[in-house]
Amino acid sequence: EAAVTQSPRNKVAVTGGKVTLSCNQTNNHNNMYWYRQDTGHGLRLIHYSYGAGSTEKGDIPDGYKASRPSQENFSLILELATPSQTSVYFCASGDPTGGEEQYFGPGTRLTVL
Amino acid sequence: QQKVQQSPESLIVPEGGMASLNCTSSDRNVDYFWWYRQHSGKSPKMLMSIFSNGEKEEGRFTVHLNKASLHTSLHIRDSQPSDSALYLCAASPSNMGYKLTFGTGTSLLVDP
Repeated sequence: EAAVTQSPRNKVAVTGGKVTLSCNQTNNHNNMYWYRQDTGHGLRLIHYSYGAGSTEKGDIPDGYKASRPSQENFSLILELATPSQTSVYFCASGDPTGGEEQYFGPGTRLTVL
Repeated sequence: QQKVQQSPESLIVPEGGMASLNCTSSDRNVDYFWWYRQHSGKSPKMLMSIFSNGEKEEGRFTVHLNKASLHTSLHIRDSQPSDSALYLCAASPSNMGYKLTFGTGTSLLVDP
């Protein structure tokens, strides 16, 4: 089965600090995604990538950067963390051929104090 | 405004009963729909996808799609306590590389 891992699983950060969330997939999928999930908002797309070296803005990219250095790895970077970025973050990978199912990682719970 | 609207927000059905969940997109460019299920404290997992008008059945789960109205519905028959979860609908235009827009979900509780 497709495997997506995330680190750290839990993170407490201070306002104004830098936070990096990492994601690794062993599915050899071209597409990777970062979402955040908040009560009342569902899953919202932050950034996504079609392959190594590419990143695209999703629906709520402000305050976030992304990096895709390789097929397997996709990072989400919060340069100046704010309390409004407290959320659960999910990474996902998908194969665009034949009706893409997205495989989600276990999530990272981020608290910004 | 949420582009993918789901109803109801929450639903309680007795064990063995039928659960019906609804989802409508306000984006006329949407072609494809997915249903994901998320158990409490876990990550979403795809349940079913539907890209053509009509009906698709997999075991106890049936999905309907009406492309003219951009409406999809998920029906779960013989509901089990293990079906208790958050059900998320997602939609995508076919020319957007499967960039999904999710609804806020329907929380289903199956009462044993």
